[in-house]
Amino acid sequence: ETGVTQSPTHLIKTRGQQVTLRCSSQSGHNTVSWYQQALGQGPQFIFQYYREEENGRGNFPPRFSGLQFPNYSSELNVNALELDDSALYLCASSLDPKTLFRFFGPGTRLTVL
Amino acid sequence: AQKVTQAQTEISVVEKEDVTLDCVYETRDTTYYLFWYKQPPSGELVFLIRRNSFDEQNEISGRYSWNFQKSTSSFNFTITASQVVDSAVYFCALSEVEGSGGYQKVTFGTGTKLQVIP
Repeated sequence: ETGVTQSPTHLIKTRGQQVTLRCSSQSGHNTVSWYQQALGQGPQFIFQYYREEENGRGNFPPRFSGLQFPNYSSELNVNALELDDSALYLCASSLDPKTLFRFFGPGTRLTVL
Repeated sequence: AQKVTQAQTEISVVEKEDVTLDCVYETRDTTYYLFWYKQPPSGELVFLIRRNSFDEQNEISGRYSWNFQKSTSSFNFTITASQVVDSAVYFCALSEVEGSGGYQKVTFGTGTKLQVIP
């Protein structure tokens, strides 16, 4: 039990739609990062938020955006969905640098038709 | 640029056998962290270990052990007396400070699928 939850568990969307995925962290976890894991691949870093500001981004287009809220929850928004966006989306949160990448949520599996 | 290579795509062993999962990494930084995760079919990433670049001591935790060798840029993971519950995909990962923002970025390998046959 990592204390990190994600919703929804599964989601089906059609190409061109927009989607919002949510991550809820333990109290005090001021750093959250999001990952995309395509089938059969390792997770790929999308971006990271620290104290509600984006402070790092991987090789993902601007249609992937995020928010982090004062209550330690966060969102990943994807606009203009493409078939290749079908993947497991994972979030990870931490209280301090020593615990970075230790606590991952169970993931949201997104299918784009 | 950082890179993690897990050359073994799939491994099958019979229960009670020992198995070693290989991980080779590339980085230009002198300060970095290495990780191993287990991902069962449910999909959640389970943290197993974190090792910093200045600590080359091998570590043992129950049936699990890790061998970190900077000279060969490897961080291998051995499961002793494997059990069916060990069946999962195992990921090796590397993190280092990235960019002017100074955030820690993690790069995962492609994973090794371990099947333990009863």
